[in-house]
Amino acid sequence: EAQVTQNPRYLITVTGKKLTVTCSQNMNHEYMSWYRQDPGLGLRQIYYSMNVEVTDKGDVPEGYKVSRKEKRNFPLILESPSPNQTSLYFCASSSWIQGVLLGELFFGEGSRLTVL
Amino acid sequence: DQQVKQNSPSLSVQEGRISILNCDYTNSMFDYFLWYKKYPAEGPTFLISISSIKDKNEDGRFTVFLNKSAKHLSLHIVPSQPGDSAVYFCAASSGTSYGKLTFGQGTILTVHP
Repeated sequence: EAQVTQNPRYLITVTGKKLTVTCSQNMNHEYMSWYRQDPGLGLRQIYYSMNVEVTDKGDVPEGYKVSRKEKRNFPLILESPSPNQTSLYFCASSSWIQGVLLGELFFGEGSRLTVL
Repeated sequence: DQQVKQNSPSLSVQEGRISILNCDYTNSMFDYFLWYKKYPAEGPTFLISISSIKDKNEDGRFTVFLNKSAKHLSLHIVPSQPGDSAVYFCAASSGTSYGKLTFGQGTILTVHP
């Protein structure tokens, strides 16, 4: 079954304690991206990756890091989480055709993170 | 600066009638637009897209209209069904950076039986 898998799905942590949210896709997609969803603000892009070892900032990258060492994985790292990073996080993946994003982003089920 | 705006936080429609969800954008470089639907406790799912070379794209009950001069797009659902009740997000990207996708705030659609 084609899917994007995120872990953990739920996490409560404390300020400053480093954490990693993993994302894995089994569709051999080149493109992967992270979003956060907050009330009244919709989905905001944090980072995206066009392919292995190629990453770029989205609209709200501050406080986050990513890496893309393998095609299937795109972990989101919060080095020193703060309460304003409490949010619902989504990972997504897609394919490219001739340099154009296909459009059909496949999203994971989300990871709800609370930073106390 | 919100470059993609969905000014209606919610919309309520009777089953069988038309639902019209609106989206405005400010960045004239955007040339590819998408709509996603999201149910509670699930990730968003792709609905329909449109390129700026078109002004309309249709897929079954869903039609997206693009008015480039007004920087406005809309999603029409006809006929609306209770299962369409969800949050709808519009999103936009530009040819200079298709990897960067900007979403609107979302509109909660409720379709009453």
